[in-house]
Amino acid sequence: SAVISQKPSRDICQRGTSLTIQCQVDSQVTMMFWYRQQPGQSLTLIATANQGSEATYESGFVIDKFPISRPNLTFSTLTVSNMSPEDSSIYLCSVSGTTGLYNEQFFGPGTRLTVL
Amino acid sequence: QKEVEQDPGPLSVPEGAIVSLNCTYSNSAFQYFMWYRQYSRKGPELLMYTYSSGNKEDGRFTAQVDKSSKYISLFIRDSQPSDSATYLCAMGLNTGGFKTIFGAGTRLFVKA
Repeated sequence: SAVISQKPSRDICQRGTSLTIQCQVDSQVTMMFWYRQQPGQSLTLIATANQGSEATYESGFVIDKFPISRPNLTFSTLTVSNMSPEDSSIYLCSVSGTTGLYNEQFFGPGTRLTVL
Repeated sequence: QKEVEQDPGPLSVPEGAIVSLNCTYSNSAFQYFMWYRQYSRKGPELLMYTYSSGNKEDGRFTAQVDKSSKYISLFIRDSQPSDSATYLCAMGLNTGGFKTIFGAGTRLFVKA
C-alpha cells in the first residue's frame, strides 16, 4: 500500500479565514480523493482530485468553498475557504489504483480542523 | 433510507470473544465490499476487500458477504484489546464512474 502523509495534522482557525491541507503520496497514484469525517459520522466524499484538470465535486460541495489542486500524480491540496464552525471536521486524503485492484482505497492520517 | 446502514455501537466484549460486526445495504448494484479499521486520531486502514458472496479469511478476521440479503459481516476471532477501534464497512461500484459508500462505523471496545 502507498504511504500517505498530510499536513498539517491539526489546526485551530478563526472564522472567515482559509486553510490549505497538503497530501503527499510516496508513489504515483491514479486517483486521489478528499473526504470529510465529522464526529460519529461516516466518511463523506468532497471531491475527486484529477491530475491536470479541475476536480470533480460531489453534490453539496463547490469549488469556491473547497478549491483543490493536483499538480502531479503524488501531490494534492484541499483548501477550506471562508471557514465557519460548521467546517470543523477531520479532512482525509485517500488514494486508489496503487495495487492493481483498482477500487482499493487507502487513507492518510487526516487533518483535524477546529474553527472558532 | 441510507444506502449503507451500520450500528454505531459501542460494542464492548471481553478479550478472547468472537466479535461480529454487520452492515446492510440497499443498492443491489454494489460490486465490491470492504472493511476498514480506524484507531482514534488515525486515518482508516483497509482490513478486508472482496468482490463476491461468501467468506474471505485473513488471520483472525473473516469477511462475509451475502448479496441476496444485502448484508455483510466482519468476524474477529480471539479478540484482543488492540482490536479496540472503529470499524467501517464500505461498498461500491464502478460504472464508468467510481462510487464508494461508507458506513458510519461501529466502535468496538475489547476489555482485557
